[in-house]
Amino acid sequence: SQQGEEDPQALSIQEGENATMNCSYKTSINNLQWYRQNSGRGLVHLILIRSNEREKHSGRLRVTLDTSKKSSSLLITASRAADTASYFCATDARSNDYKLSFGAGTTVTVRA
Amino acid sequence: DGGITQSPKYLFRKEGQNVTLSCEQNLNHDAMYWYRQDPGQGLRLIYYSQIVNDFQKGDIAEGYSVSREKKESFPLTVTSAQKNPTAFYLCASTGRLAGSQNIQYFGAGTRLSVL
Repeated sequence: SQQGEEDPQALSIQEGENATMNCSYKTSINNLQWYRQNSGRGLVHLILIRSNEREKHSGRLRVTLDTSKKSSSLLITASRAADTASYFCATDARSNDYKLSFGAGTTVTVRA
Repeated sequence: DGGITQSPKYLFRKEGQNVTLSCEQNLNHDAMYWYRQDPGQGLRLIYYSQIVNDFQKGDIAEGYSVSREKKESFPLTVTSAQKNPTAFYLCASTGRLAGSQNIQYFGAGTRLSVL
C-alpha cells in the first residue's frame, strides 16, 4: 500500500539553487528513506533516517524527520544538472512487516 | 561487479501469453522483491521472498507468479490473467531482513508492453 505522499509533484530549478521536497505519511514508521530514479532506470538509495532521528546529512543532501507531523523533507543544496531525476520517499513499519511503502515521487529538473 | 541484473530490458507480450522476467543478484542478499511502476505513480509491491523456497504476496499479486529456487534468482511470471500488464517492473534485494535497515538495491528494470 502507498503510504508516502511527496510534494511537490514536480520542481524546476536553476543550477546552483537548492531543491526542497517533502514527504508525508500516515502511520507510525521504523525508518524513512529517500531514493533517486533517473529516467528509465532503477532506484538508487540516497539516505536513511531512523524514527528516533530528527536530521541527517550526506554530502549535499539534508533530510529532516518530524514524527509528530508524520513528515520528512529532502534538501539538495547547490543543485547540478546531474541531480535531474525523480525522488521517492519510502517508509517501513513493524505493522507492515518492514516492507517498503513508496510515495509517487517528486520529479526534479535542474536547468543549466 | 556486484549488483542486480534484470533481463530483458524490453519485453512484448501477446494476448493470452505468459512471459517471464528474470532477476539475478550476486550480492548474497537473502530478501528479494518485485515492484510494478506505472507512470506518475510510486512503486507497488507484487511479491517478495525473504528466504529460498519461500515467498509472500504483496499488494498487487493477482495475475503474477514467482519462484525462489536459488538465493540468487527470483523470476517473475506475468500470466495471461494479468489484464493490464503494461508497466515498468523493478526487482530489488536487501541483505537485512525485518527489524533492521531495509535498504534496497534495485535492478535497471524491465519495460513490458502488450502487442
